[in-house]
Amino acid sequence: DIQMTQSPSSLSASVGDRVTITCRASQGISTDLAWFQQKPGKAPKSLIYAASRLQSGVPSKFSGSGSGTDFTLTISNLQPEDFATYYCQQYKTNPLTFGGGTKVEIK
Amino acid sequence: QVQLQESGPGLVKPSGTLSLTCTVSGDSVSDSNWWNWVRQSPGKGLEWIGEVYHSGSTNYNPSLMGRVSMSVDKSKNQFSLSLTSVTAADTAVYYCARDPDLEFWGQGILVTVSS
Repeated sequence: DIQMTQSPSSLSASVGDRVTITCRASQGISTDLAWFQQKPGKAPKSLIYAASRLQSGVPSKFSGSGSGTDFTLTISNLQPEDFATYYCQQYKTNPLTFGGGTKVEIK
Repeated sequence: QVQLQESGPGLVKPSGTLSLTCTVSGDSVSDSNWWNWVRQSPGKGLEWIGEVYHSGSTNYNPSLMGRVSMSVDKSKNQFSLSLTSVTAADTAVYYCARDPDLEFWGQGILVTVSS
C-alpha cells in the first residue's frame, strides 16, 4: 500500500493567515492526489483533485501543488469557516489511501 | 446535483454482518463511474473499503479481503456494502462516495458493533 504522511498533524492560525499543509507519498503517484476538508460531524468535502485542480464551486483561496511524492495544500486568507481537518488522498493505486489529517485550529 | 444517502442498521452484533445501502439521486449507477465505500472510526482518519462498477466489477481493500462484498442494483439506483464477521473494530461512520476523485459523498451513517 502507498502510505500518505501529512504534516503537521495540527496547526493553530489566525483569521487572515495563509497556511500550508504538506503531504508525502511513500512512492511516486504522479499527480493522482486529492485534498478533502472535513468539519466535525460532516462528510469530507472534495476540494482539489489531480494535485492542483479545484473542484467546481471551491474558492480560489485553496490551492494545491506538487507531483511525484511531495504535495502541498495552501489556504490563503484563512476565514472562520476554513477551520477544519484536511486530508490528502492518493488514487494512483488501489487500495486508495488517505493521510492522517491536519487539524487547522483557531489561534 | 448528485446526492448519495446511506441507509441500514445502526447497530450490529459482534460476529454478525453489516449491510448498508447507498441510494443515488441526480446520477445513474449505470454510468461510467466507480461507487465507493469509505469508513471513519470514531476520532480517527479515513479508510477506503472498496469500490464497485455497474458491471459488478469490484476492488476491495486487502485489509478487509474475505469479509467484504459490494454490489449494484440498477433497478433501484443503489449500491450496497456487506461486511461479515464484524467486531468492535468495525464500529465507524460509513460513507458512500462517487468517483472520479470521490467528488460526491453521502452524509454518513454511524454503525456500532455491540451486543
